[in-house]
Formats: sequence, structure tokens, C-alpha cells
Amino acid sequence: DAGVIQSPRHEVTEMGQEVTLRCKPISGHNSLFWYRQTMMRGLELLIYFNNNVPIDDSGMPEDRFSAKMPNASFSTLKIQPSEPRDSAVYFCASSLGAFSAAFFGQGTRLTVV
Amino acid sequence: AQSVSQHNHHVILSEAASLELGCNYSYGGTVNLFWYVQYPGQHLQLLLKYFSGDPLVKGIKGFEAEFIKSKFSFNLRKPSVQWSDTAEYFCAVTQTGANNLFFGTGTRLTVIP
Repeated sequence: DAGVIQSPRHEVTEMGQEVTLRCKPISGHNSLFWYRQTMMRGLELLIYFNNNVPIDDSGMPEDRFSAKMPNASFSTLKIQPSEPRDSAVYFCASSLGAFSAAFFGQGTRLTVV
Repeated sequence: AQSVSQHNHHVILSEAASLELGCNYSYGGTVNLFWYVQYPGQHLQLLLKYFSGDPLVKGIKGFEAEFIKSKFSFNLRKPSVQWSDTAEYFCAVTQTGANNLFFGTGTRLTVIP
């Protein structure tokens, strides 16, 4: 397996534009997590899914952020409209549930100018 | 509030020095514990994990961690660091029955040749 795959690796966009980040989890994993990493706040959990169902989205900063998981092999994180303070590295991770370690993707570095 | 604390934000060591990074958590009940490492420009990788059994856990690259339940701690150690250990280290915790990883804010380790 190629591991967790995220795209794009880098995204530069103008304030107000819509941004969509994509994630393909490891095949067979039933849990998927979206994290945001910034210098100021470290690693923050945004949302996680179990069996494609959003379980906890309390970490989503505001309504501008939304995440979907239409099937077991694909998830998106969308920011609309984007703002400069959204600039961060966004990581997707997947696992076999609470008793397995999470495997992380390479991350998407988002810069909003 | 439930939390994972890493008190050392930035540690600077010379090569061959010994390393200990602190991690404390505030969850009750059964927990699973992890240390992740993020090398510069790379994604998070699992360093070691504790689920049960021997509280002294051996990981990759000569790292180990000790789970001390009475102290709610899971400190990371390495007897002799190398320049290549320069990275950011994250402690993470899951609770039994939960399906989430709670991360500490990370400790940046800089090893000087």
C-alpha cells in the first residue's frame, strides 16, 4: 500500500477563494482524521470519521470549513471562503480504530495570500 | 479538561547527549500512548507505541519510552542523540472506546553536531 495520499502537496490561493484538500486513506482503515498544524497552535484535530461517518467535528474552526467522506477511500476538506489565517499544513491520517496507530499523509501546505 | 502536555517546547542538545522529553496526560481510564516524530519538511511518523504489558517500550532508532501510570506520564528517552534526530516530537493519547488521537503541542529537538 502506498500509505495515506494527500493532494495537492502545496496550494497557494488568494483570500476569498475556495480550497479543496483531498485524502485517500490506507485501504482497509476505517478511521480518518484531518489535522491542521501551525507554529502557534501545534497540531489540532479538525474532524474525524469512522466508517465514513463524521464522529466529531468540534475542532472545525468555523462554518467556512467542511469535510466529507463519500466512501471509504476518499475524503475532502473544503475551505470556503479561505482567509490568510487558514495558512497551515493540513494532515490527513487513517487508522484501524482506537487500538491502532494512525498513519499520516505527507500533508498539504496551504498558503492563503 | 482532558489534555496532553509536553512541557519542553524546544530542546537543544549536543551530539551524544542523553535525551528525555516529557509527556503527561490527564485522561482517566485505559489509554494507549504514542510518540510521533516529524523530520524537517516531512510528515509525522510513528516512533513507538504503548498499548499494554511492559511499560518500557522500545521504538525505532534507539528511542524508548516509559509509561508510568501513577504519574500519567509517557516520557521519551534516548541515551545518545545524533544530528539526524533533529525533528519535532509529538506525544499522543487515545482513550479506550474513543476513536481519536489527542496530540501534545510538540517538542522541537535540535541536535548540534
